[in-house]
Amino acid sequence: GAGVSQSPSNKVTEKGKDVELRCDPISGHTALYWYRQSLGQGLEFLIYFQGNSAPDKSGLPSDRFSAERTGGSVSTLTIQRTQQEDSAVYLCASSLAAIGAGNTIYFGEGSWLTVV
Amino acid sequence: QKEVEQNSGPLSVPEGAIASLNCTYSDRGSQSFFWYRQYSGKSPELIMFIYSNGDKEDGRFTAQLNKASQYVSLLIRDSQPSDSATYLCAVKGQAGTALIFGKGTTLSVSS
Repeated sequence: GAGVSQSPSNKVTEKGKDVELRCDPISGHTALYWYRQSLGQGLEFLIYFQGNSAPDKSGLPSDRFSAERTGGSVSTLTIQRTQQEDSAVYLCASSLAAIGAGNTIYFGEGSWLTVV
Repeated sequence: QKEVEQNSGPLSVPEGAIASLNCTYSDRGSQSFFWYRQYSGKSPELIMFIYSNGDKEDGRFTAQLNKASQYVSLLIRDSQPSDSATYLCAVKGQAGTALIFGKGTTLSVSS
């Protein structure tokens, strides 16, 4: 596609429910990243995919968070048993290859998650 | 722990002035440096990247990098009200795979 596509754009869920957030990266981009941005805060790195594998998942805040990527394209971020502190914008980004040597990351519009 | 520090602002400048945004980073091995602009309620968009010490100019924007001082800055010349946004500094460490972002500096350009 022309840009990074994320869905849903907005999600309100009850505390304790599971949610899935989807990211479709720019066509041909092998690297995919998930970040989280809470209100008034900076971007917090969650996980990085190269192809279908995740060489860096050090930013996942707890075992309630998981992510997968299939076919080297679409990725899903799953949050189990959501808590109110999970409320944030979840941003997906992709890059042609690993960051550096002219490759940088391009962001989608984000999925706004509100846990009530 | 790798850190990227920015003054949160707000930085207020009049239209037509030069806005100077600063960023420091802790990982001395960092090699790639990026500036993103984020409008309220929108996702970050890339303005510039810089890899080498010195200045890099692109239109009204100039990025400056000093690796010895672990400092990177962004100058915006002839600031316009449309430049009002949060500016995010991002750094890629030598060993890391993802960009580490600062919390951003909010710029307000008054007409």
